[in-house]
Amino acid sequence: AQSVTQPDIHITVSEGASLELRCNYSYGATPYLFWYVQSPGQGLQLLLKYFSGDTLVQGIKGFEAEFKRSQSSFNLRKPSVHWSDAAEYFCAVGASSYNTDKLIFGTGTRLQVFP
Amino acid sequence: DGGITQSPKYLFRKEGQNVTLSCEQNLNHDAMYWYRQDPGQGLRLIYYSQIVNDFQKGDIAEGYSVSREKKESFPLTVTSAQKNPTAFYLCASRSGTGGLNTEAFFGQGTRLTVV
Repeated sequence: AQSVTQPDIHITVSEGASLELRCNYSYGATPYLFWYVQSPGQGLQLLLKYFSGDTLVQGIKGFEAEFKRSQSSFNLRKPSVHWSDAAEYFCAVGASSYNTDKLIFGTGTRLQVFP
Repeated sequence: DGGITQSPKYLFRKEGQNVTLSCEQNLNHDAMYWYRQDPGQGLRLIYYSQIVNDFQKGDIAEGYSVSREKKESFPLTVTSAQKNPTAFYLCASRSGTGGLNTEAFFGQGTRLTVV
């Protein structure tokens, strides 16, 4: 079955430190992968996406993610975290089921940033 | 500006009442989705629609109903049959028929509370 796992429920980092949020997926075909960010009480905003080609993709707000097929992973990284990055982050995979395309989301990772 | 508008932002419901959440988009997207978000559970798909006058049940459709009479509108009704409706509800849309490689755009959400 198609699924997305985000093993870290909550991560705390200091401002200026590097960040890596983990995402593992389970999908039989070539995955279409996304990272979204959600500020409290708000909708989701797309950070970046991977479809094919270069396995390192760049997104908005200085984020990047690396697709590793051998590890079924799509981890999100940022070299230096800012206080405004505190939010919840969701990894998602585009999945096809019964001729319908939909997004399957992980359970999210809440990022807290200390000054 | 193009986007998705959800209303109201906050909604209170008495037990036994039906309530309808509004979702309107002016992105000319064919596919629209309703997700429910609970703490620690990520986003779960309630209903989705690929075209006007057609919609499909998602993973947690029981106690909910939808309609898709217009391309730009996809209202969600939370019925009295939904035993635990208190949650944050997110509406999303995708271009075309929502192919695997297209990103989803989200509204700002509606927080529903049963009182």
